[in-house]
Amino acid sequence: DAGVTQSPTHLIKTRGQHVTLRCSPISGHKSVSWYQQVLGQGPQFIFQYYEKEERGRGNFPDRFSARQFPNYSSELNVNALLLGDSALYLCASSSDREPFNSPLHFGNGTRLTVT
Amino acid sequence: GQNIDQPTEMTATEGAIVQINCTYQTSGFNGLFWYQQHAGEAPTFLSYNVLDGLEEKGRFSSFLSRSKGYSYLLLKELQMKDSASYLCAVRDRTGTGGSYIPTFGRGTSLIVHP
Repeated sequence: DAGVTQSPTHLIKTRGQHVTLRCSPISGHKSVSWYQQVLGQGPQFIFQYYEKEERGRGNFPDRFSARQFPNYSSELNVNALLLGDSALYLCASSSDREPFNSPLHFGNGTRLTVT
Repeated sequence: GQNIDQPTEMTATEGAIVQINCTYQTSGFNGLFWYQQHAGEAPTFLSYNVLDGLEEKGRFSSFLSRSKGYSYLLLKELQMKDSASYLCAVRDRTGTGGSYIPTFGRGTSLIVHP
C-alpha cells in the first residue's frame, strides 16, 4: 500500500507569492493534518481535517488555509509568502478523527524556500 | 496550550543504552507518542503511551508517568543507524471541533558514535 504522498517535493517561491501544497493520505484514512517544521525544531501543528471539515487549527495567520476533498486528499494554501514561511511542510494521515492509539503517518514533506 | 521539554542533543556509544526524557504540561491529556526522524526524512512512529507504565518494543521502550508529566524513551543496544532526532508528542483535546491534536516537542538529536 502506498503511504502518504505529498507534492511537490521541493518548491522555490518569491516573497508575496502564493503556494499550494498537495497531500494524498493512506488509503482508508479520513483524517489529514498539516505541520510546519523549521530546521532544528519539531513539527508545528497547522490544521487538521476530518471528513472534509476543519477539526483543528494551530496558531498560524489567516494567510494559511486548507481544505479536504471528497477523496480525503488535501491542499494547504499559503498566501502572501514571507521569508519566514521557508520550512518543511509535512502532511500526516490517521485512520480516525480521534485515533486513540492510531499514530500519525507522515509523508516525506514539501521543502518550501521563499526568497 | 502545552509546554513540552526535551534535551536538545545527546551522544552515546554504539552498543550502549540511552534514555531520552520528555516533560510536559497540558490539560486534557490523551496520550504521548515518540517519533524518530532521520535527517531529511519524515517522522516515523515508534511508540504510544496513554496509561502509566512501560511499553516495550524490541530495542525501544517508552515510559509514562501522568502524575509527573514525564516520559522517557529508552534505546538499548544502540546502533549507528539510531542516530536521528527523537520527537516527543503529547496529544490533548485542543481542536476547534474537539479533536485530539498531537503537539510536538523540539526533538532530541541523538548522535551514536563507534
